[in-house]
Amino acid sequence: DVQLVESGGGLVQPGGSLRLSCAASGFTFSRYWMTWFRQPPGKGLEWVANIKHDGSEDYYLDSVKGRFTISRDNAKSSLYLQMNRLRAEDTAVYYCASRPTIDGFDVWGQGAMVIVSS
Amino acid sequence: DIQMTQSPSSVSASVGDRVTITCRASQGIRNDLGWYQQKPGKAPKRLIYAASSLQSGVPSRFSGSGSGTEFTLTISSLQPEDFATYFCLQHNGYPRTFGQGTKVDIK
Repeated sequence: DVQLVESGGGLVQPGGSLRLSCAASGFTFSRYWMTWFRQPPGKGLEWVANIKHDGSEDYYLDSVKGRFTISRDNAKSSLYLQMNRLRAEDTAVYYCASRPTIDGFDVWGQGAMVIVSS
Repeated sequence: DIQMTQSPSSVSASVGDRVTITCRASQGIRNDLGWYQQKPGKAPKRLIYAASSLQSGVPSRFSGSGSGTEFTLTISSLQPEDFATYFCLQHNGYPRTFGQGTKVDIK
């Protein structure tokens, strides 16, 4: 089965750091751009970052630029999101997913909750 | 940034009803748009890609249309499992942006 499984969520204090991981299986991970999305409690979805299939390009939401870093390890079929200098407004469920395109491939993880609070 | 204006924000409908949801982009995005369904506590599920192509495994009562700035998701005959929140997402420009969502609930 095609699958993404996130891990690494939790409670962190403002200004702290957290690293999310996303393990892929059932497809050739190294062929696909990947994405992180997030959804604050009770609110809509927000795109966070994209990374090219070989890791050579990445793009970020302005509000996370300089604080978050998306990366990947194709040998491990894994995607990561390093989150530094976390703020209360970063509190959300974070989803890894294949990058939305005009082709038919689409896979999402189950989500990882990140709570930034003192 | 490309703004996606989605309407209505909510709709009350009955099983068997036809439901139409619209997204309007602040600038042309060709057909770089998908429609998603999300149920409480679950990850979004894509229903339509490239504005009008049905995702594999999605029932044919879902359809999408449009190009450029105006897009529509139609559910031809609402089923009990379709009560959910629906979002559009543009992937033409950065940042990628979503519509505000439409909650479809039972009348």
